[in-house]
Amino acid sequence: AQKVTQAQTEISVVEKEDVTLDCVYETRDTTYYLFWYKQPPSGELVFLIRRNSFDEQNEISGRYSWNFQKSTSSFNFTITASQVVDSAVYFCALSEQDTGNQFYFGTGTSLTVIP
Amino acid sequence: DSGVTQTPKHLITATGQRVTLRCSPRSGDLSVYWYQQSLDQGLQFLIQYYNGEERAKGNILERFSAQQFPDLHSELNLSSLELGDSALYFCASSVGHSGSYGYTFGSGTRLTVV
Repeated sequence: AQKVTQAQTEISVVEKEDVTLDCVYETRDTTYYLFWYKQPPSGELVFLIRRNSFDEQNEISGRYSWNFQKSTSSFNFTITASQVVDSAVYFCALSEQDTGNQFYFGTGTSLTVIP
Repeated sequence: DSGVTQTPKHLITATGQRVTLRCSPRSGDLSVYWYQQSLDQGLQFLIQYYNGEERAKGNILERFSAQQFPDLHSELNLSSLELGDSALYFCASSVGHSGSYGYTFGSGTRLTVV
């Protein structure tokens, strides 16, 4: 079974629009960690955020914000006032306390921001 | 620059051949992780080394092997290559033996098997 589901395969928005990328995870651990990574066209994986299972406080970093809801096992990512440079593939990932050595990645959401 | 160095950046080789991918972790990091990113499988964990010892194993084929040397750099060896092995191979590193605090990825090696 897929531990991390990113149901949106591709999203296109016009510049300056807001966009939310969905992430749903599945785990039986009480202690776990969630991550978002960005993969621009150049191919590298860039860390965006880490959240542990005990901290449901939403986080904002500039135009980026994250909404973590344990009740729905979701960790959604919103980009406000999108820009062309935001065009990339975004991955959500899960790391579990018991198997903390590996990340379980979702299949990614490809975001295209149209100028 | 993430601090994790992978070489080469691109590799083209024929089926049946053997290649070695190299990774130097970020300074101070003791763990090295290898991931494979392919179109059909997505990002898959292969193996982790911590301070020279194998720590965790994922979906790594028997044709693949890895090691971490005393200077902490790591090599991923891929043998008897098949067309399906074409992928982007990432190395990542972290300070401790757990990736729970996140790790830093290198820029990847793109392997094309023809």
